[in-house]
Amino acid sequence: GAGVSQSPSNKVTEKGKDVELRCDPISGHTALYWYRQSLGQGLEFLIYFQGNSAPDKSGLPSDRFSAERTGGSVSTLTIQRTQQEDSAVYLCASSSYSPSNEQFFGPGTRLTVL
Amino acid sequence: AQSVAQPEDQVNVAEGNPLTVKCTYSVSGNPYLFWYVQYPNRGLQFLLKYITGDNLVKGSYGFEAEFNKSQTSFHLKKPSALVSDSALYFCAVRDNSGGGADGLTFGKGTHLIIQP
Repeated sequence: GAGVSQSPSNKVTEKGKDVELRCDPISGHTALYWYRQSLGQGLEFLIYFQGNSAPDKSGLPSDRFSAERTGGSVSTLTIQRTQQEDSAVYLCASSSYSPSNEQFFGPGTRLTVL
Repeated sequence: AQSVAQPEDQVNVAEGNPLTVKCTYSVSGNPYLFWYVQYPNRGLQFLLKYITGDNLVKGSYGFEAEFNKSQTSFHLKKPSALVSDSALYFCAVRDNSGGGADGLTFGKGTHLIIQP
């Protein structure tokens, strides 16, 4: 079946603008994760959704970052008032629910803040 | 808190030779351990995982890894390297005690370069 998809693949924005990044997980996967990959910080966990439970937001770097997951499927990561340090590749992953299950990653969205 | 260390930024191996990519971890409980590979301009691909049981786990593309609890290590190995194995490799951990974050904690990654 189809893997995790993300859109857009690339996003260039100006400092101070808001951006929305989209993730479509693998059908049937109840767990959805967002990560950020940057040269300076490596791969960082941002947020985790599991079914209808309250998300684990412990990795969000500031209150400018938020995410939602509608209907237990598609997720949107929103970054408000973007800063240059937000430039990174944002990766989405999904898995069947169990902490021991491997996560399947999408191709990522490359965000560049000018 | 959980953490992962990959002490080598880059590993160079001649084609046909065995390879090892090192990983050590720290968790408060028992670990779930994973290896992922990333090819240029591609997403992360799962290679293998350790959950419980046999300390030697086998994964995709002929890779294997050995869990060593006393040394808190989970080194990735392959008996005979291929040029196509050249990529960026990430080790990751998740604490199965429920005390850590729900996401994976990744190492900084190791560039594996296989020379013809």
